[in-house]
Amino acid sequence: LAKTTQPISMDSYEGQEVNITCSHNNIATNDYITWYQQFPSQGPRFIIQGYKTKVTNEVASLFIPADRKSSTLSLPRVSLSDTAVYYCLVGDTRGSTLGRLYFGRGTQLTVWP
Amino acid sequence: GAVVSQHPSRVICKSGTSVKIECRSLDFQATTMFWYRQFPKQSLMLMATSNEGSKATYEQGVEKDKFLINHASLTLSTLTVTSAHPEDSSFYICSATPSGTQYFGPGTRLLVL
Repeated sequence: LAKTTQPISMDSYEGQEVNITCSHNNIATNDYITWYQQFPSQGPRFIIQGYKTKVTNEVASLFIPADRKSSTLSLPRVSLSDTAVYYCLVGDTRGSTLGRLYFGRGTQLTVWP
Repeated sequence: GAVVSQHPSRVICKSGTSVKIECRSLDFQATTMFWYRQFPKQSLMLMATSNEGSKATYEQGVEKDKFLINHASLTLSTLTVTSAHPEDSSFYICSATPSGTQYFGPGTRLLVL
């Protein structure tokens, strides 16, 4: 499974847009890119998943360049409640036996008032 | 999204006793579930893959005789921590996928005294 690299921490203020970039140079052809959010003492929560180009849902956007060696999670107008750890994962999650996910250290996002 | 539950949410036990943690997929069937462990301030670490109707697959370094996994139905996997010791105190999280995207349970906080 491709290893991912993310910034350890980021700070932002309420109302700003936050972009968290993840590097995954060894991504395989069948790999998808998935982002999770985790609050203390809770299980990770699915945010968004993509394969290429741009994916958008009600909470975030995911930008993936053509070479797929990196991806950027974009959170529009963050609030204090967005303070959490964000994990970028790469893997072939479509196959049950290949659905194992190996978490990196994640990015601690802190939103200030 | 799909819902995964865990029970109990927290448990305290004496050293040497065994503790069972349940993971249920509430609105979908899961032939495969995954168990993770997370220590304070650290990332999730995959422990094992739980396979319905067959033996679990353990990650390297995880003692299969200590962490017993049973996946008796398509909606239930259990993790039993046998002869628990204080160093087993951790946050245990399970996940399952209805269609490729992993959904996580809320986690179980285990404290071994």
